Amino acid sequence: GENVEQHPSTLSVQEGDSAVIKCTYSDSASNYFPWYKQELGKGPQLIIDIRSNVGEKKDQRIAVTLNKTAKHFSLHITETQPEDSAVYFCAATGGGGSYIPTFGRGTSLIVHP
Amino acid sequence: GAVVSQHPSRVICKSGTSVKIECRSLDFQATTMFWYRQFPKKSLMLMATSNEGSKATYEQGVEKDKFLINHASLTLSTLTVTSAHPEDSSFYICSASTGRVYEQYFGPGTRLTVT
Repeated sequence: GENVEQHPSTLSVQEGDSAVIKCTYSDSASNYFPWYKQELGKGPQLIIDIRSNVGEKKDQRIAVTLNKTAKHFSLHITETQPEDSAVYFCAATGGGGSYIPTFGRGTSLIVHP
Repeated sequence: GAVVSQHPSRVICKSGTSVKIECRSLDFQATTMFWYRQFPKKSLMLMATSNEGSKATYEQGVEKDKFLINHASLTLSTLTVTSAHPEDSSFYICSASTGRVYEQYFGPGTRLTVT
């Protein structure tokens, strides 16, 4: 089955800096890669996603890049703000025809004011 | 759009009792709903997948007789934890698929504490 590795597990940055979270996946058939933000005590919220026919997608301060050959994808947050502090999960979906995502272990992002 | 609610947000129950958690898609019809369990500082663990009108598919290691799932309509799925024990205490999260099969929208979660 699919295996998703996510790094780092914890990321601490100063407000205004950029943050990058990286994920790798094992199943080359996976073709949908969402990113979720989970605040303390809440459910995950989809913040951005990318499909395998696209190399990069951007939404304001958030961008995701995908390298299908290397089987890795990354989340980029620019001009970080304290409210960006949360746990971020990547996921890979579509391998073996399954629409059930395989999640990474999560990255705790801390943005210091 | 694509809002999913859960009720209750938190519940405390005594050991041996049963508790029901509701998951509703508020502004779309969810052909498929998923139930996850999350331990502190851990990732989401898929418990089961339910399609409207059919039996849920449970992941390996999840006791189907303990975690009863019903998906009676396109907007409602319920998870009943039967004969709860302290080790069942956890954060339970549902998600719903709009039919654009890869997209899932998560509910806010339910914190279950069994005393």
